[in-house]
Amino acid sequence: NAGVTQTPKFRILKIGQSMTLQCAQDMNHNYMYWYRQDPGMGLKLIYYSVGAGITDKGEVPNGYNVSRSTTEDFPLRLELAAPSQTSVYFCASSLGVGLLTFFGQGTRLTVV
Amino acid sequence: AQRVTQPEKLLSVFKGAPVELKCNYSYSGSPELFWYVQYSRQRLQLLLRHISRESIKGFTADLNKGETSFHLKKPFAQEEDSAMYYCKETSGSRLTFGEGTQLTVNP
Repeated sequence: NAGVTQTPKFRILKIGQSMTLQCAQDMNHNYMYWYRQDPGMGLKLIYYSVGAGITDKGEVPNGYNVSRSTTEDFPLRLELAAPSQTSVYFCASSLGVGLLTFFGQGTRLTVV
Repeated sequence: AQRVTQPEKLLSVFKGAPVELKCNYSYSGSPELFWYVQYSRQRLQLLLRHISRESIKGFTADLNKGETSFHLKKPFAQEEDSAMYYCKETSGSRLTFGEGTQLTVNP
């Protein structure tokens, strides 16, 4: 099992560019999540999904979009990158709420 | 709304000293509580959860419903315990993390 795999690990974007952060898990987990971690701050939930075809907003969804067409994949899309989106992004998955959550290694995104 | 409070952003202790990382939650039902740890340049990983009442790497945490707390404790801190610690609460389909406490264990 690879667990939760995120790509890329690092990315620099110019203001206004778009990109997709990829996340895949091979544990057949229903729940998947995207968090951002700003310097000196805790994790903030961006979007989450409770199963294929179902997504919902978290605390800080503005500027992002997600899709969940398969159980395995949960990509995060930034349409018009802004400096405020400079952060480290973590994808996570769990079999259910209250169960063990596995995290990806993170994507460090810088918007200049 | 659910809230998880970790009042200390930074905590510094000497090796061998006891350490307690505080966590308070707001959910009034039956919460599921966890502690996660993030070592330097590594991903977050589960440290322990309240339902299993386990001790991992010498850490324990007891759920105190009266005080709505889930403090993480270790009687003798080690240098390798230096890391970022997050308290997490789950209810329904939502998870809430605390802001995190950066623990530094000095030699």
